[in-house]
Order: sequence, then C-alpha cells, then structure tokens
Amino acid sequence: SQTIHQWPATLVQPVGSPLSLECTVEGTSNPNLYWYRQAAGRGLQLLFYSVGIGQISSEVPQNLSASRPQDRQFILSSKKLLLSDSGFYLCAWSVILGDEQFFGPGTRLTVL
Amino acid sequence: GENVEQHPSTLSVQEGDSAVIKCTYSDSASNYFPWYKQELGKGPQLIIDIRSNVGEKKDQRIAVTLNKTAKHFSLHITETQPEDSAVYFCAASYSTLTFGKGTMLLVSP
Repeated sequence: SQTIHQWPATLVQPVGSPLSLECTVEGTSNPNLYWYRQAAGRGLQLLFYSVGIGQISSEVPQNLSASRPQDRQFILSSKKLLLSDSGFYLCAWSVILGDEQFFGPGTRLTVL
Repeated sequence: GENVEQHPSTLSVQEGDSAVIKCTYSDSASNYFPWYKQELGKGPQLIIDIRSNVGEKKDQRIAVTLNKTAKHFSLHITETQPEDSAVYFCAASYSTLTFGKGTMLLVSP
C-alpha cells in the first residue's frame, strides 16, 4: 500500500531563516506531487505541483520554491522566511493529475 | 480559474440528525468532485468523491449529489455520530483541485 511521509511535524523558525520541508511517498512510482498551505480557519491553497523529476509548476507567486530531486521526493524551501509563511503545510500525491489525492500528515510551521 | 464556494462555514447538529454541506463551482469544465474530512492537526482524508457522469453516490451513511447544470454538489451525512465532528472540505477539479474554505461540523451527543 502507498504511504506518504512529511517531516518535520512541527517547526518554529525566526524571520529571515531558511526553510526545508520534505515529503516522500512509498509504494507507488511516478506520482504527481503537490504542496498546499492551509492558513488558520481557511481552505487549502495549492502552492506547487510536480508531474515528474525536476518538473515544478507554481500556482502562486511567493517567497517559497519547490524541488523534486527524486521520483518520490518533494521538497519545499525558502531562503528567507516571512511572518506570513506561517501555516500548516500539506503534501499530497495522486496517480492522475488533479484526480484523487492523498494527503500527508502535514507540517505546522510557525515563523516568529 | 476555478472558484469553489462552500456553505455553511459551521454546522452544529445533535447526534442522530442529518447534516448537509453544499458547494458551488464556477468552471463548467470541472469533472471531479471529492470531499475530504480533516481532524484537528491532521491531513485531510478523502471520504467520498463523484465524477461528472454520475448524479449521486452513496457509501454507508455518506452520500454526495451533483447537479452539473446548476454547478453545485452536496455532501449528506445521515445518523451523525460524535466522531463525525471535523472540518469537511469540498473540491472541484479539471486539471488541479480547487478547495472550498471548509465547514466545521460539530455533532453533540
């Protein structure tokens, strides 16, 4: 069966520090991968998605970037965090782009 | 792009009652409509979905209806239980999922 992992589970970072969140999927090959951000009391905002290694599509211009160095690994990064980057970051995968998606447990990021 | 509106934002019911959450979407090209349940501090979990060639789908106490002409779809939960308490999200997709803002469902014993 397929499993999706995210780490760390929680992170507290100062403004201006770098960020690296990691997501890995097990039990499937060539998944479509997604990064979402969820602000408190709001829905899920799609940040990036990837259909293959090295292929990244950005949905919202921002302070963040994404990379996919391996088939089942998706990384969310920032060079300098802003207060507004705080939120709950979710990784997801799907077999077909835009179809049935399965979410990871999320990373709670607090920028102080 | 796609826009999904979800109502109500909060819904309180007594155990055993039914709950209905409604969503509308704007892009007539959308053809996949999932519903997710999110418990506090966890990632969303897919509970049911429907595709544009189907008008209704049921899975035990949960059902979803889709009206493509009116561009709206609804989640129906019957015989609600306290463990149904969570935030529910609808979404619509043609190429990527666009989510509604969520409904907090509270089921009181």
